[in-house]
Amino acid sequence: GQQLNQSPQSMFIQEGEDVSMNCTSSSIFNTWLWYKQDPGEGPVLLIALYKAGELTSNGRLTAQFGITRKDSFLNISASIPSDVGIYFCAGPVNSGGSNYKLTFGKGTLLTVNP
Amino acid sequence: EAQVTQNPRYLITVTGKKLTVTCSQNMNHEYMSWYRQDPGLGLRQIYYSMNVEVTDKGDVPEGYKVSRKEKRNFPLILESPSPNQTSLYFCASEFSDTQYFGPGTRLTVL
Repeated sequence: GQQLNQSPQSMFIQEGEDVSMNCTSSSIFNTWLWYKQDPGEGPVLLIALYKAGELTSNGRLTAQFGITRKDSFLNISASIPSDVGIYFCAGPVNSGGSNYKLTFGKGTLLTVNP
Repeated sequence: EAQVTQNPRYLITVTGKKLTVTCSQNMNHEYMSWYRQDPGLGLRQIYYSMNVEVTDKGDVPEGYKVSRKEKRNFPLILESPSPNQTSLYFCASEFSDTQYFGPGTRLTVL
């Protein structure tokens, strides 16, 4: 099936630094989603992107839908300790007819040192 | 409060002993799914359901069954669990591209 390649796998940064992570695919996606999973919790949607070239912000988070529709980027500015967690990109994959299923990248583990 | 609930949250069992993990959502969503999360592999979809009585396989359906007899519930059934099904399981319901995840069920099969 279609795969999403997410990088980096993990990041160790100092509080206050900016963070950038990305997700690529060999296939075109019509929607890109970014989720965050706090330790011991289920993933929570951060940002949804629906249009190539779209740049969307949510507080200190900014995500972009790549022009080629095969990639997406998530940036976090001025990181704080509560940014710790696993960040996943995801996109819907058609599974036949009007059915689809959500495919996730393997995640980026972010650690923020105070 | 809009939420997805899963039970149990933690379960330790033995190989071959049938078990069911329940999932319930109170948002009247039609689309629900089950995922397993393993280190280094991310979230992989097991089964999904587009609506009542409509289910389909995800990426890793082997060894699992589901049912969707009513909109709010989507139980995951392991008829004969094996150690390779030790994992963290998430149920999710979806509306308008937004997936709402349950708190997770950590399953250990000895």
